[in-house]
Amino acid sequence: GQQLNQSPQSMFIQEGEDVSMNCTSSSIFNTWLWYKQDPGEGPVLLIALYKAGELTSNGRLTAQFGTTRKDSFLNISASIPSDVGIYFCAGQVDSNYQLIWGAGTKLIIKP
Amino acid sequence: EAQVTQNPRYLITVTGKKLTVTCSQNMNHEYMSWYRQDPGLGLRQIYYSMNVEVTDKGDVPEGYKVSRKEKRNFPLILESPSPNQTSLYFCASSYGQGREQFFGPGTRLTVL
Repeated sequence: GQQLNQSPQSMFIQEGEDVSMNCTSSSIFNTWLWYKQDPGEGPVLLIALYKAGELTSNGRLTAQFGTTRKDSFLNISASIPSDVGIYFCAGQVDSNYQLIWGAGTKLIIKP
Repeated sequence: EAQVTQNPRYLITVTGKKLTVTCSQNMNHEYMSWYRQDPGLGLRQIYYSMNVEVTDKGDVPEGYKVSRKEKRNFPLILESPSPNQTSLYFCASSYGQGREQFFGPGTRLTVL
């Protein structure tokens, strides 16, 4: 099945650094969702985007729905140890279609 | 507390021995789905259900069965498990297929 291209695959960062990751698709999407999976748990929704150009924040997290509607970005400012985990993007063409998932970005904070 | 529960959380079994992983949600969601998660491949959808008695194949349905006899329950059945079904499995539910999905805690399955 179709997958989103999510990058980077993994990131090693220092505590306090800012983080950026993105997802791109060959299809135009009407919905972008960003999830985080903590070790040993199921994914949890962080931010939902429903409009091209939309910029939404959730604490230190900011996500944007790309203006081309084929990409989305997630930024984390001033990373802290509890930010470690896997971040997934998911997109949907329209309500008649299933969500399509990215392969995930694994965030690791260097001690 | 609104939640999705899965059982068992961990299971080690042998090739060919039928097993069922249960999934239950208490949010009155119409949509339920099963995913498997493998390193480097992200979440791949196995089956989904838009409502009671309505199920459909996802991206990787081979070797799996599901049923949706009640709104709250969506069990995943492996009639004859094989080692390539060793994976981490997640059940999820939502009000609709494009809406926020709530995930269960996962079931780690090992097939020897």
